[in-house]
Amino acid sequence: TQLLEQSPQFLSIQEGENLTVYCNSSSVFSSLQWYRQEPGEGPVLLVTVVTGGEVKKLKRLTFQFGDARKDSSLHITAAQPGDTGLYLCAALSKLSFGAGTTVTVRA
Amino acid sequence: NAGVTQTPKFQVLKTGQSMTLQCAQDMNHEYMSWYRQDPGMGLRLIHYSVGAGITDQGEVPNGYNVSRSTTEDFPLRLLSAAPSQTSVYFCASSTREVTTSTDTQYFGPGTRLTVL
Repeated sequence: TQLLEQSPQFLSIQEGENLTVYCNSSSVFSSLQWYRQEPGEGPVLLVTVVTGGEVKKLKRLTFQFGDARKDSSLHITAAQPGDTGLYLCAALSKLSFGAGTTVTVRA
Repeated sequence: NAGVTQTPKFQVLKTGQSMTLQCAQDMNHEYMSWYRQDPGMGLRLIHYSVGAGITDQGEVPNGYNVSRSTTEDFPLRLLSAAPSQTSVYFCASSTREVTTSTDTQYFGPGTRLTVL
C-alpha cells in the first residue's frame, strides 16, 4: 500500500479541455511537492505547497493543498499538448512518491 | 552548469553480473540520492547521502551499495544483478536534506537497466 495514492492513473483529453489530478493520503504532511516527468527524462519540480488550504498558480496550473494537509490536487486549465507527461506528487518529509498520473493531451 | 548527469543511459546485464551506475552533480549540493522507478510504484529511495563520507539506506537498499568520496559523485553499485533489479534508476541532488527542507531536488535523466 502506497503512502500517497494518485488518481486517476491515466487521463487522456483533447486540447483546450480542463483536467484535475488528485493526490491523497491518510497521513498528515508538512509539505507536498508536484513534479512533471516527460518520457526519457527525470522528474522536474513544479511546486511545493506547505500550508493547509494553500493555493499556488503556475500559469495554467493550479495546485491546492488540503486544509488538513493530507491531500493535494493539480488542475490544468485549457490543456495543451505540451502538458503531456507523468505528474507525480511527493511527500519528501516521508521520502515518499505517488505512482503518478499519466496525462495525454491530444491536439 | 550540467546539473545532474548519469551514465550510462541504457544498460543490459546478465543475471549475476555487477556494474556501477555513475552520478555526478556540479551544483555543490550536499544531499544526493538514488531512486528506482517501476511501473505503478512511483519512485522508491534506494540509498542517500547527506555529504561526503556519509551514506544511509533508503526504502529498498538490498542488492545495492553506494559510497560518497567527493561532494560531486555518488555511484551506485549492483553487486550481483537480478531480474528484479530491471528498472529505471534516477540520481537526484539538493542543497539540503529533503526530509527537513523544501529545497528543490534536481533529478538526472536516468539509467534504464535490463537484467536478463
